[in-house]
Amino acid sequence: DTGVSQNPRHKITKRGQNVTFRCDPISEHNRLYWYRQTLGQGPEFLTYFQNEAQLEKSRLLSDRFSAERPKGSFSTLEIQRTEQGDSAMYLCASSLAVGTTNEKLFFGSGTQLSVL
Amino acid sequence: KQEVTQIPAALSVPEGENLVLNCSFTDSAIYNLQWFRQDPGKGLTSLLLIQSSQREQTSGRLNASLDKSSGRSTLYIAASQPGDSATYLCAGGGGGSNYKLTFGKGTLLTVNP
Repeated sequence: DTGVSQNPRHKITKRGQNVTFRCDPISEHNRLYWYRQTLGQGPEFLTYFQNEAQLEKSRLLSDRFSAERPKGSFSTLEIQRTEQGDSAMYLCASSLAVGTTNEKLFFGSGTQLSVL
Repeated sequence: KQEVTQIPAALSVPEGENLVLNCSFTDSAIYNLQWFRQDPGKGLTSLLLIQSSQREQTSGRLNASLDKSSGRSTLYIAASQPGDSATYLCAGGGGGSNYKLTFGKGTLLTVNP
């Protein structure tokens, strides 16, 4: 069990550029989540996948954001035409859901995005 | 819409003291409640998970309780140590296909040696 891995750890970009983050969940976990956290706040839910299907998207996820989880393995989160308000820590988590029972969420270390 | 509040926002205690962190939530139809620890600039580490049918969970020096009727959860830390210094977050989870966590803003705990 190598835990949830996120890359890169830090990303600095200029306003208007596109960025992509990657998350590798714990291998046997079927659910994968993306959260966003700003300083002094708790994480906010963005979206989640059950295997390869994206089941829910928050209203926080504007049209500039897109997430994929091809083949139900790793996931990518892309932000197009970044804005300064996108600066935040982007956290990925995974869990093993059996039926309607959900086990603990395991989080990665996050990707800190700074938009200049 | 679920809202989660944590009190206090910050807490400073001397080493060895027992302490309680509080969490309240607005929607009693909570499916489960998780407590997390977050170190500066890092991700979250799950501490305890309480399912809605349970009243408490224990792990080592940590004990978490859940009272759905009052919309409250507490995290009790016994014999605090400087290594316990971190931000503690509670999060309420929905059930089934709507499973997602709603987080509080956290309590910043400092344990002074």
